[in-house]
Amino acid sequence: SQKIEQNSEALNIQEGKTATLTCNYTNYSPAYLQWYRQDPGRGPVFLLLIRENEKEKRKERLKVTFDTTLKQSLFHITASQPADSATYLCAASFYGNNRLAFGKGNQVVVIP
Amino acid sequence: GAGVSQSPSNKVTEKGKDVELRCDPISGHTALYWYRQSLGQGLEFLIYFQGNSAPDKSGLPSDRFSAERTGGSVSTLTIQRTQQEDSAVYLCASSFNSNEQFFGPGTRLTVL
Repeated sequence: SQKIEQNSEALNIQEGKTATLTCNYTNYSPAYLQWYRQDPGRGPVFLLLIRENEKEKRKERLKVTFDTTLKQSLFHITASQPADSATYLCAASFYGNNRLAFGKGNQVVVIP
Repeated sequence: GAGVSQSPSNKVTEKGKDVELRCDPISGHTALYWYRQSLGQGLEFLIYFQGNSAPDKSGLPSDRFSAERTGGSVSTLTIQRTQQEDSAVYLCASSFNSNEQFFGPGTRLTVL
């Protein structure tokens, strides 16, 4: 079965630096990958979607890449701020399947 | 309403009792999803509704779990004869195009 893997260790980063998170998938390439932000006690909030045929997507200070050779997506937060502290979830949608397969999430802590 | 709403926000029940969790999706969204999030775990897909099509129930963990979506809008997730391992946050999401999903705040279920 398909697995979506994210680093279980929290990422502590100094304010102003770039935070980079990794999402790896096994077996088949997903049709697209999505990234969500989740704050404690709240539901996830959609951030970005990148399709299999796209290499990079940007939205404000966020950037996502999709490397089908490495079977990996990278999620970057540039000029990080304490307000960016949250858990970030990677989710994949595979062809012929309308559900999303989520990773366990990666916590980011931005230190002022 | 502006977003997906879920009720109750918290539910404490005794082992063996039945519970009903409600989800009000965003008006006009044809797709509705239920997920379960246990402590330290990723989102686990439970069930997916799309318009008038038969629901995708492949994620339901046992026959104690069932869900309905009435009139293409409100959905109810029912757990019969609850067990302690059912304790988790149950998240509902809706979507217009089966891509970006909009999540509710979740229902925290505690089975004593």
